[in-house]
Amino acid sequence: TQLLEQSPQFLSIQEGENLTVYCNSSSVFSSLQWYRQEPGEGPVLLVTVVTGGEVKKLKRLTFQFGDARKDSSLHITAAQPGDTGLYLCAGDWRGKLIFGQGTELSVKP
Amino acid sequence: GAGVSQTPSNKVTEKGKYVELRCDPISGHTALYWYRQSLGQGPEFLIYFQGTGAADDSGLPNDRFFAVRPEGSVSTLKIQRTERGDSAVYLCASSSGSEQYFGPGTRLTVT
Repeated sequence: TQLLEQSPQFLSIQEGENLTVYCNSSSVFSSLQWYRQEPGEGPVLLVTVVTGGEVKKLKRLTFQFGDARKDSSLHITAAQPGDTGLYLCAGDWRGKLIFGQGTELSVKP
Repeated sequence: GAGVSQTPSNKVTEKGKYVELRCDPISGHTALYWYRQSLGQGPEFLIYFQGTGAADDSGLPNDRFFAVRPEGSVSTLKIQRTERGDSAVYLCASSSGSEQYFGPGTRLTVT
């Protein structure tokens, strides 16, 4: 069974702080995706990482794929209240996505 | 263009009843996926279609769950003899390549 362990599960921080979310597995994935989900909505794709060691930046968000393609991290710099939401990592396993449990992020002004 | 749409947005049903959940994918997307998301958890894969056929149904929990996509576009997830444990948000996604685009989900509550 392919599992993705995501940590932390909950994160409550003040505006302006930095944070990192981790996604770890014992399985190798062909790609890994990060999503953000708001209440009552479906997940929205933020980024896809494919190559081991790859780093992608999206404004204040930095995504990294581990060299062995088993783990990934999401780093947010200077978090803002608009970053509040559920962040999900998902590994592509033979065409279907295996999701982590999610990180519920709350950024207080 | 229009995204993935799902109907109904909310469904409340009594234990033992039959329900159908509908998904309209993005036009032209050949792949369609169903996931289930329980409160506080990430989505869990149920089934995926490539065209009209189910390419992988390994996530369906038991034979009370069935899904169809007869014309390769709209899909219906069918649940027979619903149980309280079936309560969750059912998400549909479609794809034309490696990236999946999700609908808003159907919140199913079994009382």
